[in-house]
Amino acid sequence: DAEITQSPRHKITETGRQVTLACHQTWNHNNMFWYRQDLGHGLRLIHYSYGVQDTNKGEVSDGYSVSRSNTEDLPLTLESAASSQTSVYFCASSETGGGNEQFFGPGTRLTVL
Amino acid sequence: QKEVEQDPGPLSVPEGAIVSLNCTYSNSAFQYFMWYRQYSRKGPELLMYTYSSGNKEDGRFTAQVDKSSKYISLFIRDSQPSDSATYLCAMRLHTGGFKTIFGAGTRLFVKA
Repeated sequence: DAEITQSPRHKITETGRQVTLACHQTWNHNNMFWYRQDLGHGLRLIHYSYGVQDTNKGEVSDGYSVSRSNTEDLPLTLESAASSQTSVYFCASSETGGGNEQFFGPGTRLTVL
Repeated sequence: QKEVEQDPGPLSVPEGAIVSLNCTYSNSAFQYFMWYRQYSRKGPELLMYTYSSGNKEDGRFTAQVDKSSKYISLFIRDSQPSDSATYLCAMRLHTGGFKTIFGAGTRLFVKA
């Protein structure tokens, strides 16, 4: 069965370190998204991609970067982790043909000390 | 002002009650309206979606969109303890890509 996976599921890091969160989907979807979820804010879009070599900034992109070298993967990098980036991170994907359903991964809980 | 407003709750109801969850929005150009359900420590899953105005029913769930009032609702009939979750409304434009704006989510508890 097709799926979307994230790794690691839990991560504790220190302020100033670079961190990369992995996202891998086997749906063969062109669209991929990264969100962060914080109490009171719901899901906020960080970055998104509509295909290989395409990346776009979302609502809260400062301090984050992504790259899309193939269809299956969209890794999210925190260049220099800050305590404000402590959050739960969700990756999602959707098909190109106007489909409204985004398929979400299980999430990565990141703590920056 | 947020583009999508949703009361975070929590909302606690007895088993069998009718539940009403609501969102308001400010952008009149939104055309696709979705409801996602998120269980604790899981990713959201699409529950229902509607295009433009009107009602849509799926089993115990009914989604309503009132574009004139910029108001959407999700009704759950005969609520069950298994419906206990966070419900997020979401919406997007008809054009301009697939970016989706989510509400903050309402936590629902259905007591047995």
